[in-house]
Amino acid sequence: SQKIEQNSEALNIQEGKTATLTCNYTNYSPAYLQWYRQDPGRGPVFLLLIRENEKEKRKERLKVTFDTTLKQSLFHITASQPADSATYLCALDDQAGTALIFGKGTTLSVSS
Amino acid sequence: DTAVSQTPKYLVTQMGNDKSIKCEQNLGHDTMYWYKQDSKKFLKIMFSYNNKELIINETVPNRFSPKSPDKAHLNLHINSLELGDSAVYFCASSQDAYNEQFFGPGTRLTVL
Repeated sequence: SQKIEQNSEALNIQEGKTATLTCNYTNYSPAYLQWYRQDPGRGPVFLLLIRENEKEKRKERLKVTFDTTLKQSLFHITASQPADSATYLCALDDQAGTALIFGKGTTLSVSS
Repeated sequence: DTAVSQTPKYLVTQMGNDKSIKCEQNLGHDTMYWYKQDSKKFLKIMFSYNNKELIINETVPNRFSPKSPDKAHLNLHINSLELGDSAVYFCASSQDAYNEQFFGPGTRLTVL
């Protein structure tokens, strides 16, 4: 069955630095991958979607890469701010293309 | 306007009771979902509905039953509640399974 791993449960960085979060998957080839942000006590909020034929996607300070050979996605936040502190979830389509499978998330803390 | 809304936000009940959680979306989406987020923050798909038809049904106990009176609503009914049902339940919607999902604020269910 599909397996998704986000490299670490927690990541602490200083304001202004670039945060890099990793999402690895095994046992299948997803058609697309999504990243969500979740703040405590709230539902996940969509950030970016990248398809299997795309290498990179950008949105303001966010950048996502998708390497289907390595079976890995990297999520970057440049010039990080304390307001970026949250849990970031990676999600892939299931093999049937009917639902998303989420990773366990990485909690990012940006200190000023 | 709230895109995806859920009621109630908090639900505290005794073991063995039956309860329902309501969800409504005003985005005109064709697909709606129910997710369970456990104490370890792992977000897992339970059900999805597309145009009032159940298209996936994960291995959840049959005590859980989704009900969709129309395309904008997907309610979750739970019979004979157990301690292990305590979690946060999120409703979400999307245009289809290949696009971003919009999540509701969540319902925190506590079974005593």
